[in-house]
Amino acid sequence: QVQMKETGPGLVQTTQTLSVTCTVSGFSLTSYGVHWVRQAPGKGLEWMGIIWGDGSTNYNSALKSRLSISRDTSKSQVFLTMNSLQTDDTAVYYCAVLTMGTRDYWGQGVMVTVSS
Amino acid sequence: DIQMTQSPASLSASLEEIVTITCQASQDIGNWLAWYQQKPGKSPQLLIYGATSLADGVPSRFSGSRSGTQYSLKISRLQVEDPGIYYCLQGYSALWTFGGGTKLELK
Repeated sequence: QVQMKETGPGLVQTTQTLSVTCTVSGFSLTSYGVHWVRQAPGKGLEWMGIIWGDGSTNYNSALKSRLSISRDTSKSQVFLTMNSLQTDDTAVYYCAVLTMGTRDYWGQGVMVTVSS
Repeated sequence: DIQMTQSPASLSASLEEIVTITCQASQDIGNWLAWYQQKPGKSPQLLIYGATSLADGVPSRFSGSRSGTQYSLKISRLQVEDPGIYYCLQGYSALWTFGGGTKLELK
């Protein structure tokens, strides 16, 4: 059965770099793309980007200059890295397999607070 | 980038009432449209995929439709467990986008 779990630092200082890890089980990262979605407190969902099964990536245009998504297939882990953090990057960060099909899979999300 | 304009931003409805939420795409996205329900503190749950297909385990009172670049989610008879925030998501282009969300409350 598919499971996804995000882990992150909890608190990050402004101007620093955020690293969040998504650990998956029940499927191969070479078979499905993994998306990153975030949600600021009281705000809507924001699609951040995806690493596809072939390892290629696409990023939200507004975040592209600061965002990188990578993976380690041997460890079934996907990594989100975002630099130059500001307070408005405070959010719950989710990893998800979004198939546009009959099922998809989300992690529980990890809260990241950016503070000066 | 494709924009998804969702309306209304919020609505209040009574039990058993029919509720409709719409998303307008800024360009053709075919049927690459999904609808989600999110409850406080929880991850989004898939309701509809392919614009009109019901996801596994979703009650049949939920339905999706399409007219050109306008997409609608209909709840035929609002139930006590249906309040939450609803989002559309387009997956047509390489860059996916969510609608702004609709907060549904019980009157």
